[in-house]
Amino acid sequence: SQTIHQWPATLVQPVGSPLSLECTVEGTSNPNLYWYRQAAGRGLQLLFYSVGIGQISSEVPQNLSASRPQDRQFILSSKKLLLSDSGFYLCARDRGLSTDTQYFGPGTRLTVL
Amino acid sequence: KQEVTQIPAALSVPEGENLVLNCSFTDSAIYNLQWFRQDPGKGLTSLLLIQSSQREQTSGRLNASLDKSSGRSTLYIAASQPGDSATYLCAVRPIQGAQKLVFGQGTRLTINP
Repeated sequence: SQTIHQWPATLVQPVGSPLSLECTVEGTSNPNLYWYRQAAGRGLQLLFYSVGIGQISSEVPQNLSASRPQDRQFILSSKKLLLSDSGFYLCARDRGLSTDTQYFGPGTRLTVL
Repeated sequence: KQEVTQIPAALSVPEGENLVLNCSFTDSAIYNLQWFRQDPGKGLTSLLLIQSSQREQTSGRLNASLDKSSGRSTLYIAASQPGDSATYLCAVRPIQGAQKLVFGQGTRLTINP
């Protein structure tokens, strides 16, 4: 199974509030995990990826952070949301092989007001 | 820096037509290219994955081709149906920085009954 769960499905938060989005995956152990953001009118932007527990690589400077406390759990956080953080957040996985298909979760729609 | 372009940004065709979606990339040093489908407000669904050593992949009414030397891929959809209406994205996995897929902006396809 390549099933990916994300919650919440939608979220409306005020500027300056904290954020926690969760992604859990089923199936193969030690997957590579990814957080992407899709903003209106823009393509998919890779935010973070993780090749193992506690190992996080950040792709863009921003006020977001990611953590991987367990093998199949990936969390996206912020201490203080900005308006520009609004968007559709997607979690993805693969097996870490260069030949791999990447699978995506259902996404979380975040609106910051 | 790898860049992926999809033209056109939007396409509307009558039901039953065969159609081709285009994807071009600037750097031929890739492991593979992947085509995805995204329905409004949903995550990405993987359609086809073409490894760099392959020329094409087929799944049902879908056929994807890859010409790595010219930096081009096409997704051919035969006998289009209204249910094919969605945004189609292509992504390459570069050899340098293989964890990071590079996405095009997508083609929004509408099939009219």
